[in-house]
Amino acid sequence: GESVGLHLPTLSVQEGDNSIINCAYSNSASDYFIWYKQESGKGPQFIIDIRSNMDKRQGQRVTVLLNKTVKHLSLQIAATQPGDSAVYFCAERGNYGQNFVFGPGTRLSVLP
Amino acid sequence: GAGVSQSPSNKVTEKGKDVELRCDPISGHTALYWYRQSLGQGLEFLIYFQGNSAPDKSGLPSDRFSAERTGGSVSTLTIQRTQQEDSAVYLCASSLAGTKETQYFGPGTRLLVL
Repeated sequence: GESVGLHLPTLSVQEGDNSIINCAYSNSASDYFIWYKQESGKGPQFIIDIRSNMDKRQGQRVTVLLNKTVKHLSLQIAATQPGDSAVYFCAERGNYGQNFVFGPGTRLSVLP
Repeated sequence: GAGVSQSPSNKVTEKGKDVELRCDPISGHTALYWYRQSLGQGLEFLIYFQGNSAPDKSGLPSDRFSAERTGGSVSTLTIQRTQQEDSAVYLCASSLAGTKETQYFGPGTRLLVL
């Protein structure tokens, strides 16, 4: 069956550095991907999305890259700040219109 | 409020009791989802409502779990005869229309079954 997983369960970065969070997915038919941020005690918060007809999308301090050839998704956070500390989830949706499948999450810790 | 709201925020119950969890989606959102998140785990899909269509219940783990959505807005997730393994955070999300749209999540209900 389809699955979404993350290469690194935890990531620690220095404040001001760039962060890269990776995600592998197995369903080559997935056509839509989302990154969510979940702070402690809160629900997931939408960060950025990308459709399968794109390979890169930029937001404010965040960039999502999609490599369909190797079924890999990444989230890049520029100039990481303490407020970026959270668990980040990737999610995929198959093009058959089924519901999203979420990965287990990567915890990002920003060191002072 | 502009966001998805859920109540209660926390619920402690005894094994065997029934619980009801409530979700108020964003106004105008026709799609509503329930997920379960166990400690340190990802999101597990439970059920999906879209407008007046029959809900997608494919994620419900057992017949002790049920959900309804009245009037196309508020939804209630009911867990009957709760078990300790039901302890988790139950998250509700809504989207503008269908699974092609971004989901916006509520803060969740933390359920603890003793």
